[in-house]
Amino acid sequence: DVKVTQSSRYLVKRTGEKVFLECVQDMDHENMFWYRQDPGLGLRLIYFSYDVKMKEKGDIPEGYSVSREKKERFSLILESASTNQTSMYLCASSFKRRGGYNEQFFGPGTRLTVL
Amino acid sequence: KNEVEQSPQNLTAQEGEFITINCSYSVGISALHWLQQHPGGGIVSLFMLSSGKKKHGRLIATINIQEKHSSLHITASHPRDSAVYICAVENYGGSQGNLIFGKGTKLSVKP
Repeated sequence: DVKVTQSSRYLVKRTGEKVFLECVQDMDHENMFWYRQDPGLGLRLIYFSYDVKMKEKGDIPEGYSVSREKKERFSLILESASTNQTSMYLCASSFKRRGGYNEQFFGPGTRLTVL
Repeated sequence: KNEVEQSPQNLTAQEGEFITINCSYSVGISALHWLQQHPGGGIVSLFMLSSGKKKHGRLIATINIQEKHSSLHITASHPRDSAVYICAVENYGGSQGNLIFGKGTKLSVKP
């Protein structure tokens, strides 16, 4: 059974704290993605990675950084959490585009609250 | 203007009703995805299609490439179909398999 796991389902942090969200996939996927999901705005791409140590900015990278040191693991870092980063964070992974469909597999999400 | 538009945003139906959710897009695509998100967050893929029609059980997805439009139909709806349904497109020529998402349609099926 394919799996994308995220380190926490719920997280509460204080303004200014450094926050790490971790995502692990067991499908040997090249691509990994971090999204945030807010009511009325849908899924928005923060960063993605198409290979180890490679990263590209998505639509809303400000205030976030990422790390991909191993193929199966993609970390999202909030350097100094702010209240406007309170959101649901979803990780996904997929094979690199190779024709046909490019299905993304999603983790269960982390609901982050920044006080 | 969003590149992927869904309608309606919210939908309430009675058990047994036939349901249609619409998705229009403005970019050239290589494929369109329908995803389902239940309360609690997890997202699963329902369909991936680039032409015609696909059917899984009570769910049917259609796409008209010329009109840049797709529909998701649910026949004989059931309360367990209550979820957010998300349309997403793979932009033709886009980088590395990124998806462009619609904002979702929240479906509630009452018993």
